[in-house]
This record gives sequence, C-alpha cells and structure tokens, in this order.
Amino acid sequence: GENVEQHPSTLSVQEGDSAVIKCTYSDSASNYFPWYKQELGKRPQLIIDIRSNVGEKKDQRIAVTLNKTAKHFSLHITETQPEDSAVYFCAASMPLGAGKSTFGDGTTLTVKP
Amino acid sequence: GAGVSQSPSNKVTEKGKDVELRCDPISGHTALYWYRQSLGQGLEFLIYFQGNSAPDKSGLPSDRFSAERTGGSVSTLTIQRTQQEDSAVYLCASSSIGSPQGTQYFGPGTRLLVL
Repeated sequence: GENVEQHPSTLSVQEGDSAVIKCTYSDSASNYFPWYKQELGKRPQLIIDIRSNVGEKKDQRIAVTLNKTAKHFSLHITETQPEDSAVYFCAASMPLGAGKSTFGDGTTLTVKP
Repeated sequence: GAGVSQSPSNKVTEKGKDVELRCDPISGHTALYWYRQSLGQGLEFLIYFQGNSAPDKSGLPSDRFSAERTGGSVSTLTIQRTQQEDSAVYLCASSSIGSPQGTQYFGPGTRLLVL
C-alpha cells in the first residue's frame, strides 16, 4: 500500500519568515495530494491541494509543488504569521474508488511573533 | 450545505463497557473514513468505506473495534470492552467522487475518555 513520509515533525520559525514542509510517497498511482491544517482542538481542514498533472499551485501565501518523478511534494508558506501556527498534514490519494488516502504523520508549525 | 456531523461530541465511559460512535457524512459522499487521534499525535487510520465495496479494515487495532455503514450513509464505530488506551478523539471524514476529488471533509470528532 501507499506510504507517506512527512518532514520535519516540528518546525519553528520567526514571524515573516518562510516555512517549508516536505512529503514523499511510494505509490506512483497516487494522483491527488491535499494539505490539511489542524488548529489546536479543531478538525483538520483542507488548505490547498495539487493534482498529478500540475507541478505547482499557489494561493496567496501558500504554495504546493509536486515532483512526480521523485515522488515528493512540498508545502511552502511565505510571510508566516502567528495564526499559521498549527499542525499540517499532507496526504496522497488514489483515484477515488481505487484505494484510500494516506496521511503523513504531521508537522507542528510554531510561528514566533 | 451541512457538513459531516458526529455524535456524541464527548463520551466518558468505564473500562470494559461498549461504546458506539456515530458519523453522518455529507449527503452523496460515497467514501467514509474513521481515524483515531491521540493527544498531540497524528491521524491513525482505522477503516475506509467506498460505495458498495468491501470496507478496508486494515487499520482497526483489535477485534474489539468494528464499524458498519448502513445504506451507504450513516456509519457507526463500535468499541467493545473499552480499555483506557482507547481514550482519544475519533474523527470521521467523507469524500466525493466529484470535484475536488479525494478531499476529505472532517467531522468535529468524538472525544472518548475511558476511566
């Protein structure tokens, strides 16, 4: 089955700096890669996603890149703010019906004011 | 529209008792997942339902755990003879074959405490 590895497990940055979280996956059949943000005591929520036919996607301060050949994808947050502090999860998904999504173990991001 | 709902929001039980946790997915979503999340930890996959296919039960930690999904909609996760290590937040998520493909919408979770 699919295996997703996420690094780092914790990340601390100064407000205004950039943060990068990386994930690798094992199954080349995975074709959809969402990122979720989970604030303390709340449910995970989608913040950005990318499909396998796209190399990069941007939404304001967040961006995701995908390298299909190397089977890795990354989340980039620029100009970090204290409200970006949360746990971030990556996931790799098969075409729906072909298999389940697999999550990484999460990265705890702390943005220091 | 309505999101994923779960009940109860909190459950306190005594060791050895059985509990049932309920998940109402978004209407029309064919896929449904159950996860367990201990304090400060990641999302531990438990079980996955997709349409009428046989569920993927590969994440269930023991035979005390079971789940069913009736009529392709509501799902119930049952934990028999609860143990203290079962204490965690149990999250349900659903997703659709429509756009965006594969995005999981999470419920608020059920916080289970086994005394």
